[in-house]
Amino acid sequence: AQKVTQAQTEISVVEKEDVTLDCVYETRDTTYYLFWYKQPPSGELVFLIRRNSFDEQNEISGRYSWNFQKSTSSFNFTITASQVVDSAVYFCALSENGIDDKIIFGKGTRLHILP
Amino acid sequence: DAGVIQSPRHEVTEMGQEVTLRCKPISGHDYLFWYRQTMMRGLELLIYFNNNVPIDDSGMPEDRFSAKMPNASFSTLKIQPSEPRDSAVYFCASSDSRGTGYTFGSGTRLTVV
Repeated sequence: AQKVTQAQTEISVVEKEDVTLDCVYETRDTTYYLFWYKQPPSGELVFLIRRNSFDEQNEISGRYSWNFQKSTSSFNFTITASQVVDSAVYFCALSENGIDDKIIFGKGTRLHILP
Repeated sequence: DAGVIQSPRHEVTEMGQEVTLRCKPISGHDYLFWYRQTMMRGLELLIYFNNNVPIDDSGMPEDRFSAKMPNASFSTLKIQPSEPRDSAVYFCASSDSRGTGYTFGSGTRLTVV
C-alpha cells in the first residue's frame, strides 16, 4: 500500500533562513508520481511540483528546490532564503500506477517563517 | 478559466439535515476528486470519477455519503443525515492527467451542529 510520511509536524525559522521539509514515501510500484502542494492560511491548495519515478534529477524553481532520492524513498523540499509569505502547510503526496488518479497525501508540515 | 468552483464556501447545518456540496471542474478535465480535510485525519480521498464514472469510492466513510457526476461539468457530494463528526473542509479537484497535477477548488467548510 502507498504511504507518505512527513515526520516534521511543525517548523519555525527566521526569515531568510533556508529550510528543508522532509518527505518519505512507500510504494510497491516502480512507476509513480510524487507531488508537493502548498496550503497558505487562506486555505486553498496550490500545486507546486509533480515528479515521475524515472526522473531523479533535482529540480529548482526560484527559491524552491526538490531533492528526489529513490534509494532512500525521499522527496525533500527546500526553500532558500525563506520569506514570511512562505508560511503555510506543505503537503507531500504520491500517486501510483503512473497515472494521476488517487493521490495520497501526507499529513503536512506547518511552516512558520518569523519576521 | 475560472478554475474549480465549489459552492457553498461555508455551510452550517443542524445534525440530521441533508447537506449537498457542489463542484464545477475545469472544462476539459476528465478526472474529478472529492477530498475531506480534518485536523485529525488530514486530507482523505473520498471518491473520484473518470469521464463522469465513479472509479473508486473506497474512501467514502459511510452510506450516509453519496456522490454523483451527472455530466462533465458538475458533481455533488451529499451527506444525509449529517452528523457533527462530518464537520470538515471538503475539497473538490480536477485533473487532465497530463502532468499538471490536480487543481483544487477553494473548499467548502462544513459545520454540523
